[in-house]
Amino acid sequence: QVQLQESGPGLVKPSETLSLTCTVSGYSISSGYYWGWIRQPPGKGLEWIGSIYHSGSTYYNPSLKSRVTISVDTSKNQFSLKLSSVTAADTAVYYCARDQAGAVDYWGQGTLVTVSS
Amino acid sequence: AIRMTQSPSSFSASTGDRVTITCRASQGISSYLAWYQQKPGKAPKLLIYAASTLQSGVPSRFSGSGSGTDFTLTISCLQSEDFATYYCQQYYSYPVTFGPGTKVDIK
Repeated sequence: QVQLQESGPGLVKPSETLSLTCTVSGYSISSGYYWGWIRQPPGKGLEWIGSIYHSGSTYYNPSLKSRVTISVDTSKNQFSLKLSSVTAADTAVYYCARDQAGAVDYWGQGTLVTVSS
Repeated sequence: AIRMTQSPSSFSASTGDRVTITCRASQGISSYLAWYQQKPGKAPKLLIYAASTLQSGVPSRFSGSGSGTDFTLTISCLQSEDFATYYCQQYYSYPVTFGPGTKVDIK
């Protein structure tokens, strides 16, 4: 049973960097698939942030590319998201997910990150 | 980026109804389309990928069709647990993009 769990601060100050980690259990990241992040502002739709392959190849949403870094730590079976220079517009539920080359078959439960001073 | 639209944005239906949701892509995406169901406070759940392939464990009352730019999700006999918001998603090209969602609520 593949499970993903997001962790990280629920409150980030404007202009600072949002950092989240996703811990994967039930599947080894180094075995394959893409691993990604998707967010959902309160009451709104889904926005794909980016994905990383176990080898480290990354794909980012151009709308966020200048601020986003996704990395993977296969030794801990984790991958991480960093989003810099956050504003209130970055307030959202952030999901980590397993991406089977596009369609997302496993999702974390999601974590709400609020950007506020 | 490829823009995804859905219609209707919301509607009311009754248990037992046959319902259809439409998704349109701003350019051809072959069959690189997925459908998700999301309930309040929960993560989305993959229902269909490759436009018409049912994800393991998803009831057979869900079906998908289409290719190119026009796609549909059909629920053949709506059950109480199907009242939710449905999203389409294209993965033909990066960035992956989602439709705005269709909310199905109880009539």
